[in-house]
Parts: sequence; C-alpha cells; structure tokens
Amino acid sequence: NAGVTQTPKFRILKIGQSMTLQCAQDMNHNYMYWYRQDPGMGLKLIYYSVGAGITDKGEVPNGYNVSRSTTEDFPLRLELAAPSQTSVYFCASSHEGTGKGGELFFGEGSRLTVL
Amino acid sequence: AQSVTQLDSQVPVFEEAPVELRCNYSSSVSVYLFWYVQYPNQGLQLLLKYLSGSTLVESINGFEAEFNKSQTSFHLRKPSVHISDTAEYFCAVSILSNTGKLIFGQGTTLQVKP
Repeated sequence: NAGVTQTPKFRILKIGQSMTLQCAQDMNHNYMYWYRQDPGMGLKLIYYSVGAGITDKGEVPNGYNVSRSTTEDFPLRLELAAPSQTSVYFCASSHEGTGKGGELFFGEGSRLTVL
Repeated sequence: AQSVTQLDSQVPVFEEAPVELRCNYSSSVSVYLFWYVQYPNQGLQLLLKYLSGSTLVESINGFEAEFNKSQTSFHLRKPSVHISDTAEYFCAVSILSNTGKLIFGQGTTLQVKP
C-alpha cells in the first residue's frame, strides 16, 4: 500500500516563483489536510478538505491555495513564494476526520526552501 | 478556539528510566485528544488517542496517557524507555465535529541516552 504520497520531497525556489506540492492517497479517504512544520512551532494547518469539491482554510492559509477535484488528490499551490514559506510540508488523510476521532495518515513530507 | 501547550521542548532521559511528557489543552467544548510520534525524517504516526470511556489509554509499545478533565491535561508516560523511543512527540486536540481540525502542540523531543 502506498498510503499518502507527496512529491517533490525537496525543492528550492526563488522569491516570487510559483509551484505546486502534490499529494495523493490511495485509501479512499474523504478527509485530507495540509500542514506546515517549523522548528519549535509544531504543525500548523494550512487547508483541509472534507471531500471532493470542498475545501476550507486552516490556521495559516495566507499565500497558499488548494483544490480537490478528485477524492485521491489534494495539491497545494504556492503562487508567489516568500522566504517565510520555507518549511516542511505534510499532507495527511483520514477516513472519518479527526472531529469524529479518526486517525491522520501522513505522507513523508516535502522540504521547501525559498531563497 | 482550542489550543495545546506542551510544557517541555526537550526531555533527555537515560535508557530504562521512566518518562513523562506533559500536555495541557484549552477548549470550551468537548474534545478528542491524540498523541503522535515523529521519527527522524519521517511523517507523523498515531501513538494513542482518547475519545471517551476509560481515561487511561495505552499504545502497543508501552506508552500510556491519562485524560484529566479537571486539569485539562493529557500527559504521556512510559515506565521504562528504550533508545528506539528517541523521537519527537506531539500532543493534539480536535473538537467533536463533522469537519474536525486537528490542532497540534509545539512538540517535545525525547532523547534517550544509553
């Protein structure tokens, strides 16, 4: 089982460039999430989705966009990269959602550096 | 809004010693509580969770956590740690809802020394 797959694993961007972090899951989960992890700050929720066609903002959505056209895929778009977006990004999915006590399954992360 | 505070950023401990990682939460409504573990260069994995019922919950590798509603705490304990327990541990909270946003604490790095 692949689980949650994130690409790329590493990327260096220049300020102002755009890119998309890809996330795919093969568990038929309705709920998907994007988090960023910064040292000493824990994980902060960027966006989440409760099903195809439905997305909502998390704690730190500014500078990011998402879409959910299929159950499997949940890409995260950075339009104008800034140094403050240097971070490790994690995608996660859940069968029933954490609001119902469900477990999150995480990808291995994407390390992004903006110079 | 909910919040989670992990009181220690780093906890060094010798192998076979007991350990406690502290977690306090704040919420005006009922919550579910979780502990996740992150080994180096990996994503997070669920360690254990409290949903309802017995306030003491256990994991398969010897960790346990106790939900204390009056103190709004969910501390993680292990009576005897191993080198392989070296990792970062995150406490997290989610309100009971159809959407469910999981809010994480800052993390505690457990360093087990031989």
